[in-house]
Amino acid sequence: GESVGLHLPTLSVQEGDNSIINCAYSNSASDYFIWYKQESGKGPQFIIDIRSNMDKRQGQRVTVLLNKTVKHLSLQIAATQPGDSAVYFCAENAGGTSYGKLTFGQGTILTVHP
Amino acid sequence: DGGITQSPKYLFRKEGQNVTLSCEQNLNHDAMYWYRQDPGQGLRLIYYSQIVNDFQKGDIAEGYSVSREKKESFPLTVTSAQKNPTAFYLCASSIEGADTEAFFGQGTRLTVV
Repeated sequence: GESVGLHLPTLSVQEGDNSIINCAYSNSASDYFIWYKQESGKGPQFIIDIRSNMDKRQGQRVTVLLNKTVKHLSLQIAATQPGDSAVYFCAENAGGTSYGKLTFGQGTILTVHP
Repeated sequence: DGGITQSPKYLFRKEGQNVTLSCEQNLNHDAMYWYRQDPGQGLRLIYYSQIVNDFQKGDIAEGYSVSREKKESFPLTVTSAQKNPTAFYLCASSIEGADTEAFFGQGTRLTVV
């Protein structure tokens, strides 16, 4: 999972495995959560989001789980592919109307081996 | 194509100089944002704007300035007061008032030489 510090957490998996990336968020008032994927030298790319009134949301090959009791968010990627290799960030919005006003986690490096 | 365009992709600046980073969007989004990213870290909010002619400081606004004269444009000026300006700068936009994702540009890498 993500943590404070200069060394990003890393996750290495084999192609075809399922991946789980964890994130602890800080603000109990946050009502919107989002996962982004960032490839080297590029801007973040949206993966999936979830509102605080939900505990699970599924997309194509991805599932986000939200546990508000322990302020924990996870991203599950099914049948991971080499193209999924990137840094993954969770982010939270603590309310207000500007949902792009986000607090980001440090990120997790996912490496998928063929 | 709809999207967010940041320019230039790479920028070099001498110490003591101001420099302006461009961000343009054609998504018709009201809200725009500037984030800074340092190596091995997440993004931190510099400034954001919910509407034309209005903007708010984010978490690390010191040494930066912005303007929002047009809906499509939200330029960021890195001033000489910014003590450590070398970083990757990302611009984003979103629909104001809607809990949907923010879209990011491809970033500008600023290096002070």
